[in-house]
This record gives sequence, structure tokens and C-alpha cells, in this order.
Amino acid sequence: ETGVTQTPRHLVMGMTNKKSLKCEQHLGHNAMYWYKQSAKKPLELMFVYSLEERVENNSVPSRFSPECPNSSHLFLHLHTLQPEDSALYLCASSQDTGHRIETQYFGPGTRLLVL
Amino acid sequence: DQQVKQNSPSLSVQEGRISILNCDYTNSMFDYFLWYKKYPAEGPTFLISISSIKDKNEDGRFTVFLNKSAKHLSLHIVPSQPGDSAVYFCAASVRGSQGNLIFGKGTKLSVKP
Repeated sequence: ETGVTQTPRHLVMGMTNKKSLKCEQHLGHNAMYWYKQSAKKPLELMFVYSLEERVENNSVPSRFSPECPNSSHLFLHLHTLQPEDSALYLCASSQDTGHRIETQYFGPGTRLLVL
Repeated sequence: DQQVKQNSPSLSVQEGRISILNCDYTNSMFDYFLWYKKYPAEGPTFLISISSIKDKNEDGRFTVFLNKSAKHLSLHIVPSQPGDSAVYFCAASVRGSQGNLIFGKGTKLSVKP
């Protein structure tokens, strides 16, 4: 595997379900990101991790819970979601988030539908 | 209010001609700009970037122009090829913002043979 991979690619869940999205990067990067893309809206940054520590949380509801056990893996735990949370969830990684601006490399995304 | 705007949701160009994709921004603190390309069912892929200290960056068929006074950047693709058909996103960032990229909504480019 190369690049950034995400599983599952598609997910349908009810509002009372608990599910997790998984992201893995094979690029040796130190920073990982979760983005959300809703229909007809720009990509919105949700969370940033650098060296497994969360450095940015853009006021995301607590029903989204990220976890970064190591620099290669990133999870997004979902519980009691709402239908308006249906979107494409994209994971990205970059070498770092430091003072240099690093190019981010994206995974293919998980298409989530909340019923 | 959107800080990065791509006002054309779609653009259609004939193969071999030039494609020009535009992007406007409002935040004068942005100092780094990127273009990403996205095919259906794939994540965005990095295409080309430009720092605010430059006004042009070229990579093969792709050239990005930055006009800081107008807060405007554009991506030129010459010559356009059918394989360039995709959604193009403009993104901007501020140095030291912990990787916070602000994206536009995207422009769907269709290159017709």
C-alpha cells in the first residue's frame, strides 16, 4: 500500500449507531488531518494531529471523536450522528504542521450516509 | 463568509486550448496557495502551489499566477487534455496555522475532445 488509505469507502448508519472511520498513511508523515465535505460546500478542516497530539479542533461537535494512536493511523469515532452529518470524510497527511507550510496528501474518502 | 472563492462552478474547454481556473480570497494574511485536482471517487491530489513572495510558478502544462493586490490567483492549463477533466480546488493557508488549509468550493473542468 502506498499513500493514504481510508476504510470503509462507504458507510450507512442509523442515528443511534456507533461506528469508526479509519485512515492509514504510508508516507512517513508526522501530521494527519480529518476533513468534511458536505454537498455544495468547501472542504472543512475538522481535526489536526501532529506527532499524535491534537493541535487543532475547529469547533467540531462532540459526537465526532478523533483518535491518533501513532503517526501512521488516525480514527474518527462516530456516535449519535444526525442526518446533516452525511458527507464525504477525507483524511490527509503531511510531513509536519510546523512553521513551513506542508503539502497535504489526501485519502480517497469515506462516503457517510446517516439515516 | 467564505475566505476562498471559486465563482465558476464549471468550465468547458476544447482539447488543445487553454483552461483558466480562477480563485479569489479575502484574507490578506494568506501566504501560501495550492491547487488540488479531484477525480470522482478519489481524494484530492496536489497539483501545484505558490508562495506569496512569488507571482508565478510553472510545472509542465500547469502555471499558477498570483496577484496579491487583487487577492486573485489563477491556474492555467496549456494545452488542455481530456484527462484534465476533474474538479479543481483552490486552497490557501497562513504560515504557522498548524496546517489549516482553507478551500474553495471547486470548479468542475470538462475538456472535450
